[in-house]
Amino acid sequence: DTAVSQTPKYLVTQMGNDKSIKCEQNLGHDTMYWYKQDSKKFLKIMFSYNNKELIINETVPNRFSPKSPDKAHLNLHINSLELGDSAVYFCASSRPGNSPLHFGNGTRLTVT
Amino acid sequence: KQEVTQIPAALSVPEGENLVLNCSFTDSAIYNLQWFRQDPGKGLTSLLLIQSSQREQTSGRLNASLDKSSGRSTLYIAASQPGDSATYLCAVRLNAGNMLTFGGGTRLMVKP
Repeated sequence: DTAVSQTPKYLVTQMGNDKSIKCEQNLGHDTMYWYKQDSKKFLKIMFSYNNKELIINETVPNRFSPKSPDKAHLNLHINSLELGDSAVYFCASSRPGNSPLHFGNGTRLTVT
Repeated sequence: KQEVTQIPAALSVPEGENLVLNCSFTDSAIYNLQWFRQDPGKGLTSLLLIQSSQREQTSGRLNASLDKSSGRSTLYIAASQPGDSATYLCAVRLNAGNMLTFGGGTRLMVKP
């Protein structure tokens, strides 16, 4: 009955590979997000989707491409992985307006 | 550009103490402010959300205050317990459709 679930929990891969992280929420929320937490623990927004449509795309390299097949899912595909992509990636969801965000447990990506 | 700062970066207290965590933000025109807890290897758990029109919110031993004019929020934890040990993050939202901007967090250790 996990509210926001991400898979995989850990991902270790080599530079240049392409990988995907999946996210699903069963809260009925309209808005989903991807955040990146770097080695210094700073959390930064990457993307925000509302009802399957992109509404925020911060300065993220176009190697990162989010895909939202339906409003309960927001997957993150990363092409040509680089060392600097190593981080913990968090998916989150919320209702519109003054509602708290609900986060998944994160995916720790390590690029070697 | 909104910047969020949390002081101190780390805090160690003996069990039973009351403590205050600080959060400051540069743009006072916020929509809401949210306090989160993050345990190692886990996602973020929403603790309290304060709307821009509110001055404080309480949940159990936690009390969060908001002073928009001075760009400050505090999280007060009463009678701290070892189970409170975690990283506490504050985040502000500028408008209904905008993303959260996070502070760097305060890493709290409560010693038995």
